[in-house]
Amino acid sequence: AQKITQTQPGMFVQEKEAVTLDCTYDTSDQSYGLFWYKQPSSGEMIFLIYQGSYDEQNATEGRYSLNFQKARKSANLVISASQLGDSAMYFCAMREDTGANSKLTFGKGITLSVRP
Amino acid sequence: EADIYQTPRYLVIGTGKKITLECSQTMGHDKMYWYQQDPGMELHLIHYSYGVNSTEKGDLSSESTVSRIRTEHFPLTLESARPSHTSQYLCASSELNTDTQYFGPGTRLTVL
Repeated sequence: AQKITQTQPGMFVQEKEAVTLDCTYDTSDQSYGLFWYKQPSSGEMIFLIYQGSYDEQNATEGRYSLNFQKARKSANLVISASQLGDSAMYFCAMREDTGANSKLTFGKGITLSVRP
Repeated sequence: EADIYQTPRYLVIGTGKKITLECSQTMGHDKMYWYQQDPGMELHLIHYSYGVNSTEKGDLSSESTVSRIRTEHFPLTLESARPSHTSQYLCASSELNTDTQYFGPGTRLTVL
């Protein structure tokens, strides 16, 4: 079974509007972490935001926020005030197994296009 | 800002050649990783290391090998390149007890 599910097709948003990118996850661990990365067409992976499973508050980093709904096992990324430079692929990832043995599992990604 | 470097950025090579993809980081991170990613697809972990002289195979089987002789250096080698190895290879690193991985710019490999 997939551990990270990103099922949205290519997403489009008008510049300056907000957009939500969906991510659901599957784990039996009590302690885990959720990440979002951005991958522009140049290919590098850029870390955006992190949410720990025990964090009570939703994570925020500038224009990025993570809508964490633990009971539904969802960790959606919200980008406010979209900019043309936000056009990229976005990957959700999960860390299981705490400590030195931890690894990340990535979803298939979502393509976001920002329209001027 | 992460300081992790990969060379070459682009490589086109013929079948049967031996290649080494370089990855170096200056952050003193103990953990390093190699991912393989086809265009527009998800990342697959192929190798990782928790420190010097430690290497492990990842979730996706790969014919490549890695070594970790120095903390800052984690090269990946293909003894005999084949067209099926055509892909992007991404290197990443993280501190030992944190989970956030920082990525290099990637190497786009094409095997003819």
